[in-house]
Amino acid sequence: GAVVSQHPSRVICKSGTSVKIECRSLDFQATTMFWYRQFPKKSLMLMATSNEGSKATYEQGVEKDKFLINHASLTLSTLTVTSAHPEDSSFYICSANTGAGELFFGEGSRLTVL
Amino acid sequence: GEDVEQSLFLSVREGDSSVINCTYTDSSSTYLYWYKQEPGAGLQLLTYIFSNMDMKQDQRLTVLLNKKDKHLSLRIADTQTGDSAIYFCAEFAKGKSTFGDGTTLTVKP
Repeated sequence: GAVVSQHPSRVICKSGTSVKIECRSLDFQATTMFWYRQFPKKSLMLMATSNEGSKATYEQGVEKDKFLINHASLTLSTLTVTSAHPEDSSFYICSANTGAGELFFGEGSRLTVL
Repeated sequence: GEDVEQSLFLSVREGDSSVINCTYTDSSSTYLYWYKQEPGAGLQLLTYIFSNMDMKQDQRLTVLLNKKDKHLSLRIADTQTGDSAIYFCAEFAKGKSTFGDGTTLTVKP
């Protein structure tokens, strides 16, 4: 199947710093990518829908200024967690829509904020 | 609002069939998915079904969709210990996906 790559897979940062996570579709173009957050032993919570060339659409309760999303090209979307705090520690996962009904996920990025 | 529900746990013996059930509420769902997640890993797309289909088979996996009852199931034939994982049901509707809380499948030798 199609491959979606996330980087970094793990990141540890100090409180107050910003962290950028990349999501790439390696063998297809994705006009739409999605960012999720997963808490331990919980399901995925959709944070935002990222559309190439336009502003992301955030779900209710997700702070736009906190979680900056940029979809600069058809194969790359980035999530920047700004001024990270310990409560932002989580597993962040992206997915990309092939346009043919398939939704592929990256391997996830585990963020730990000290 | 949109809601996807699954039972939280399922335990089977190796070699038996596993059936994981899911219900959803959004009748405008276009695609319904099953994903597998192993500890510490991302989600692996197992299979998906378009909403105008009622069954899809792929090797050991059989997906059944009852659109009238908004019920989706995943059957794993000849379940192996390597199938132990969390299985998520998801729907794609109105341009976004909604996930169930996942079913933890435990396969006992």
